[in-house]
Amino acid sequence: QQPVQSPQAVILREGEDAVINCSSSKALYSVHWYRQKHGEAPVFLMILLKGGEQMRHEKISASFNEKKQQSSLYLTASQLSYSGTYFCAPLDRDDKIIFGKGTRLHILP
Amino acid sequence: KAGVTQTPRYLIKTRGQQVTLSCSPISGHRSVSWYQQTPGQGLQFLFEYFSETQRNKGNFPGRFSGRQFSNSRSEMNVSTLELGDSALYLCASSLGTGIVSTGELFFGEGSRLTVL
Repeated sequence: QQPVQSPQAVILREGEDAVINCSSSKALYSVHWYRQKHGEAPVFLMILLKGGEQMRHEKISASFNEKKQQSSLYLTASQLSYSGTYFCAPLDRDDKIIFGKGTRLHILP
Repeated sequence: KAGVTQTPRYLIKTRGQQVTLSCSPISGHRSVSWYQQTPGQGLQFLFEYFSETQRNKGNFPGRFSGRQFSNSRSEMNVSTLELGDSALYLCASSLGTGIVSTGELFFGEGSRLTVL
């Protein structure tokens, strides 16, 4: 099953913060996060490993709670360049990387 | 270092036809995964190949098939096309696969298929 992402869409003003959540019904080994800008291919942001530290990419950070099978992406002081669709992609115990439906993020100047 | 290359970029087919899409991974990458992307559904996993073997398969009908060659290039085929097959088909390559290697996926720009 696909992981569930929330919210489905977010509109922010430049400089504001946002949190994107991802939850799975299956036990997870790790979680990938990707960003896809309109008309472009998804691009890797970071990976969270079971038992690993919180990761950062610029002012974007993420956490992974393997017991709750959840991951969250934190966007701090958002920039216009952060606009796009964010996907979580957990690696489950069946060895599959399954993408969520995505969270559309739009940053207003 | 060249990225993931997918061909063709755009194609239009009619119902009942079949189509073959090609993916050349980054040099040295042995894993190739295929995803179908449609509005509102995110990326739906089709299958993954590693060293010419299908490692995993998503929940798609048997009309969707793929293969990987010894040079790691991969093809996917969709037979008896339906209107609902219209989508962007993305290919991604990575060095390793699964739990053995948790490396990132590098995506190609996709093949946009329109079925009329």
